[in-house]
Amino acid sequence: GIQVEQSPPDLILQEGANSTLRCNFSDSVNNLQWFHQNPWGQLINLFYIPSGTKQNGRLSATTVATERYSLLYISSSQTTDSGVYFCAVLIKAAGNKLTFGGGTRVLVKP
Amino acid sequence: DTAVSQTPKYLVTQMGNDKSIKCEQNLGHDTMYWYKQDSKKFLKIMFSYNNKELIINETVPNRFSPKSPDKAHLNLHINSLELGDSAVYFCASSQGDPRTLSGNTIYFGEGSWLTVV
Repeated sequence: GIQVEQSPPDLILQEGANSTLRCNFSDSVNNLQWFHQNPWGQLINLFYIPSGTKQNGRLSATTVATERYSLLYISSSQTTDSGVYFCAVLIKAAGNKLTFGGGTRVLVKP
Repeated sequence: DTAVSQTPKYLVTQMGNDKSIKCEQNLGHDTMYWYKQDSKKFLKIMFSYNNKELIINETVPNRFSPKSPDKAHLNLHINSLELGDSAVYFCASSQGDPRTLSGNTIYFGEGSWLTVV
């Protein structure tokens, strides 16, 4: 079946550290988005990035569609970066439904 | 102003009851969704409506019935609630066909925490 896999499943960071989160997908995608779910449960859209690279402050994302992966970079992490990061992809072969990966749980310690 | 708002935020109810969750968006989008997040944080789409028309209908029990009175509203009614229905239900919206998203992003509400006891 169509798969969206994220790694690592859990990540503990010291404040100020940098990290990379990965999203692998099993087929070509029409749409890829990264979300942050904060500790209060809110889901915030970070990037729409089906290909290429985007940056927003301390966050940046790169998608290499031909190799079926996307990376989310967090630089100079802060405690407010804690939460779960999801990638979601729209895959034609999966019936064109936005399918979420299992998430990466990030804890940034002060 | 909240872009996608859901009510209630918290709901505790007994097995067998019928309950509804309401959702409204003020973004002018024509597509709305219901997603379910289980205890392991896994998010899965349940339904999607575009211009009040049901577009995506995942394999969910028919105890779950969505209703879209207009483009700005999508409600979820659940009959005969079961323990396994306990989850967080997220409403979302976007512009355009949900099967392509046409380069558009999807915006989520704050979630409705449903606990069935």
